[in-house]
Amino acid sequence: QSALTQPASVSGSPGQSITISCTGTSSDVGGYNYVSWYQQHPGKAPKLMIYEVSNRPSGVSNRFSGSKSGNTASLTISGLQAEDEADYYCSSYTSSSTLEVFGGGTKLTVL
Amino acid sequence: EVQLVQSGAEVKKPGESLKISCKGSGYSFTSYWIGWVRQMPGKGLEWMGIIYPGDSDTRYSPSFQGQVTISADKSISTAYLQWSSLKASDTAMYYCARAPGPTGGFDYWGQGTLVTVSS
Repeated sequence: QSALTQPASVSGSPGQSITISCTGTSSDVGGYNYVSWYQQHPGKAPKLMIYEVSNRPSGVSNRFSGSKSGNTASLTISGLQAEDEADYYCSSYTSSSTLEVFGGGTKLTVL
Repeated sequence: EVQLVQSGAEVKKPGESLKISCKGSGYSFTSYWIGWVRQMPGKGLEWMGIIYPGDSDTRYSPSFQGQVTISADKSISTAYLQWSSLKASDTAMYYCARAPGPTGGFDYWGQGTLVTVSS
């Protein structure tokens, strides 16, 4: 069982917006602003999409945004495109000895 | 351009040792942390541990402490992940990734090294 909880799958049609949640505890997501989001296409390495809850690295589309409320972080993708179909993982710093934990991943299907 | 280039796929037998590598370029290797992430077949990402090549400060996830060793040779900008005695359950894709700090996520990733352990 992963330390952070994500829905196994979400789907949306092109042009729509979707949100992926990432639920932790006050020892990780809720306690620190060190939540990251990664996109992974099949057979490829993960790619950083969001860091420190809501910051986008250079080159990442502004269709991707992040936020946090309490112990739950969220990734929103607006204007869905076929190329957004991938697995998405959240991660967070944790005050436990693990230091960093990932969510179980969410498969995004663009219908 | 920041690049992390990992060593090639490995096929090993249970009980054998293995050391895989991750060479960084395009940035100051000693100024960023390098972490290792496991992805078992069809599964999610698991944070294994992280090292700061500047002073070899190393942190492990309790799940991997004692199971693997993370090291780095700053003279050749290369980080390593090694096993002394592989098990079939070590079969996975292993990624190295760069981090600005020991926490806060990974901004650049290697292409991955597939390790297969089978008798």
